[in-house]
Amino acid sequence: DAKTTQPPSMDCAEGRAANLPCNHSTISGNEYVYWYRQIHSQGPQYIIHGLKNNETNEMASLIITEDRKSSTLILPHATLRDTAVYYCIVRVPRYNQGGKLIFGQGTELSVKP
Amino acid sequence: GAVVSQHPSWVICKSGTSVKIECRSLDFQATTMFWYRQFPKQSLMLMATSNEGSKATYEQGVEKDKFLINHASLTLSTLTVTSAHPEDSSFYICSARDIVRQAAKDTQYFGPGTRLTVL
Repeated sequence: DAKTTQPPSMDCAEGRAANLPCNHSTISGNEYVYWYRQIHSQGPQYIIHGLKNNETNEMASLIITEDRKSSTLILPHATLRDTAVYYCIVRVPRYNQGGKLIFGQGTELSVKP
Repeated sequence: GAVVSQHPSWVICKSGTSVKIECRSLDFQATTMFWYRQFPKQSLMLMATSNEGSKATYEQGVEKDKFLINHASLTLSTLTVTSAHPEDSSFYICSARDIVRQAAKDTQYFGPGTRLTVL
């Protein structure tokens, strides 16, 4: 699975959009980009995933560059409850046994009033 | 949908005792579940992959005789920490893969975690 690089921390003002970048320059053609977040003392929460098209759901938007070497997770109107560590993971979906996720250090997002 | 539960949410035990943690997928079947451990201010570390009906696969450095994993059904995996010691105190988190729904693209859903404190 391709390696990802994320900034260790970011701040965002409440109500503003939070844009979290992820670099995955060695991504291969069949690897998806997954985003999870972990609020303090809780299990990680799935946010969104994508292959090459931009994706949007009720939580966030995922923008993947045309060359797929980087992506941005967008929280359109950040709230204090969005304060968490955000993880970008790149991997090939697997439908047989296996398919483990490897977590890096992620980006610690602090949403401030 | 896609809810994973863990029980208990926290446990305190004496050194030398064994502790069992349950992980359940509530609304989907999971042929594969994963167990992670997380120490304070660190990222999640994968311990083992739990496969329904077969032996678990452990990551390098994880003692399989100390961390017993059983995945007896498509919705339940258990992790037993045997002869627990203070250094086993940690936050244990499980996840389950949704491989049935194609749209999920092998997304993993995580339980809320179990905080183990060994005295």
